[in-house]
Amino acid sequence: GAVVSQHPSWVICKSGTSVKIECRSLDFQATTMFWYRQFPKQSLMLMATSNEGSKATYEQGVEKDKFLINHASLTLSTLTVTSAHPEDSSFYICSAREVGTSYEQYFGPGTRLTVT
Amino acid sequence: GDSVTQMEGPVTLSEEAFLTINCTYTATGYPSLFWYVQYPGEGLQLLLKATKADDKGSNKGFEATYRKETTSFHLEKGSVQVSDSAVYFCALSDPGANSKLTFGKGITLSVRP
Repeated sequence: GAVVSQHPSWVICKSGTSVKIECRSLDFQATTMFWYRQFPKQSLMLMATSNEGSKATYEQGVEKDKFLINHASLTLSTLTVTSAHPEDSSFYICSAREVGTSYEQYFGPGTRLTVT
Repeated sequence: GDSVTQMEGPVTLSEEAFLTINCTYTATGYPSLFWYVQYPGEGLQLLLKATKADDKGSNKGFEATYRKETTSFHLEKGSVQVSDSAVYFCALSDPGANSKLTFGKGITLSVRP
């Protein structure tokens, strides 16, 4: 149980285009989902926290107009990287926290974004 | 702000060797502490946790004790296996910050047969 999927697992896009990444909780309902960014050989950096039905809360330094997050249902959150640039190339990971729990997060396998 | 510091890696061990991965933290409140593991090609998985001082988390032969006096949560295993090869992340969750997770940089463990 407690499986989180991400789609796509790998995407290449051209500079200036937008790309959407989906995060789904497959066998549980997630009140809260988190989006992280991971640079090579570095830690996960929290980008934003999204709660179902409300606006996402972004961490300091993360551009909310560039990284659009939508948490439309208890099982789906999306991250859209708008007007992508090569510096946005990274590994994006989502996690989900089950309804009624306070701390445990279940992580997706990640999405590798390459902007050319 | 909150932070987690892990020892530098990578670490390479022979099978059945003893493992210690150091982790220290800085937090303003009373955090919960975690070790996550990321196997090749997979997402992070919770390995073990401890929610208060002197608690010991354990799972799959791994152990870590929440030491408030030294602000540490070192991961240990008495006899590693090849299947333990993965990236290990120490993390804390501050209940005063919506339980957001703060991660260390992670350390890659490779176990040789």
